Parts: sequence; C-alpha cells; structure tokens
Amino acid sequence: DTAVSQTPKYLVTQMGNDKSIKCEQNLGHDTMYWYKQDSKKFLKIMFSYNNKELIINETVPNRFSPKSPDKAHLNLHINSLELGDSAVYFCASSRALGGGDPGRTQYFGPGTRLLVL
Amino acid sequence: TQLLEQSPQFLSIQEGENLTVYCNSSSVFSSLQWYRQEPGEGPVLLVTVVTGGEVKKLKRLTFQFGDARKDSSLHITAAQPGDTGLYLCAGASGANSKLTFGKGITLSVRP
Repeated sequence: DTAVSQTPKYLVTQMGNDKSIKCEQNLGHDTMYWYKQDSKKFLKIMFSYNNKELIINETVPNRFSPKSPDKAHLNLHINSLELGDSAVYFCASSRALGGGDPGRTQYFGPGTRLLVL
Repeated sequence: TQLLEQSPQFLSIQEGENLTVYCNSSSVFSSLQWYRQEPGEGPVLLVTVVTGGEVKKLKRLTFQFGDARKDSSLHITAAQPGDTGLYLCAGASGANSKLTFGKGITLSVRP
C-alpha cells in the first residue's frame, strides 16, 4: 500500500546518457513535486505540477524535463547526464499546492539514487 | 531568497540524554515544518507549526515556533536510538508557496 512510489530505486549510468525516473502516487492528490537532495543532504525543489500543469520550475537546466501524463504520475527525464547530476531525487505529492498548510502535507517517495560515472 | 540555517549540523549523544536543535532564518514564514529522514527513505513530516510562539508536543519531541515566526526549535527528551536520523526543517511563506528546506541536522543516538 505504498503511497508514493518511485522507480528505479538505484540508477547508475555513464555521463552523456539519457535516463528517466518514474513516480506514482495512490493518494488521490492533485499536486506532485520533484526534489533533488545533494551529497550534503540539502533538499531543493525542482518542479511542481498541479493537475498535470507545471507550476514551479526552479532554475533547473533544460536537460531536465518533467512530464505528468495524469494526476497520479510525474516522471522526470534527464538528457545528457552530467557528473553533477549525481544525487537522490525525491518525488512528493500533496492534496493541493503548497505544503506549508497543515492540510497540504507533502508525502515523499523513497527516492531514486542516481550515480553518474 | 529565504534561507533556513539549522544547528548543530551533527550531533552524537548517548541514549537517555536530552537535546535541543535549532532552525533559524532572517525571513518570516507563515508556517514551519520539521521532518525526519531515515537512511534510504524519504522525509516524513513530524509537525507543522503556524502560530508565533506555538508549542507542539509529539511524545518525547517538543517543537516551538518563535514569536516572530523566523525560527523554531526541536527538543527531544530522553533520546532513544530510534530517534537517529536526519532532521529537516522547512518553511513556507504562504499557503500556496513552495517549501524551503534547511540543510538538516544529523542526529545519532548511541545505545
């Protein structure tokens, strides 16, 4: 009964490759997010989608392209992977946009550990 | 840019000890949250505080939101090894706004 799931959990790839990470939530939420957590554990938002529409795009290189085929799914495609893309990528979802409101708690997936060699 | 500074960055204590950690900013937030993240997992929300001066208790954990809504503290009484993890604070500047996270506090409680 996983609320927010991500695949794959681990991803090791060569520099220059293109890869995708998938996220699914079964909570019936309208809003989904992608976060990046670097090696120092700093968690930073990348994108936010509300009802399949892009709401937040936080100065992320255009090699990163999110796609939301429906409200329950938010995928992240990364082109031309670079060494600096190595990080843990977390998907999250909330009932509505925000997360600071007690009624809009963000629920995080288990993360995808990306290592670019 | 709103920044949240968390301190100390690392803390290693013996089981049974008390501890307090901090989350500070020069910006005002409409709400502030604390998360705990265990190795290999995503962050899990512990509490949301929204009112200046608010104090919330969650078993042995006590959270306080500063009067000016710029800072927060987390006090753990009689720490247990199960409290080990990364503690993240996150602030929001409005109901629809994104969350800004601090860099986290790594807590290790030794048996």
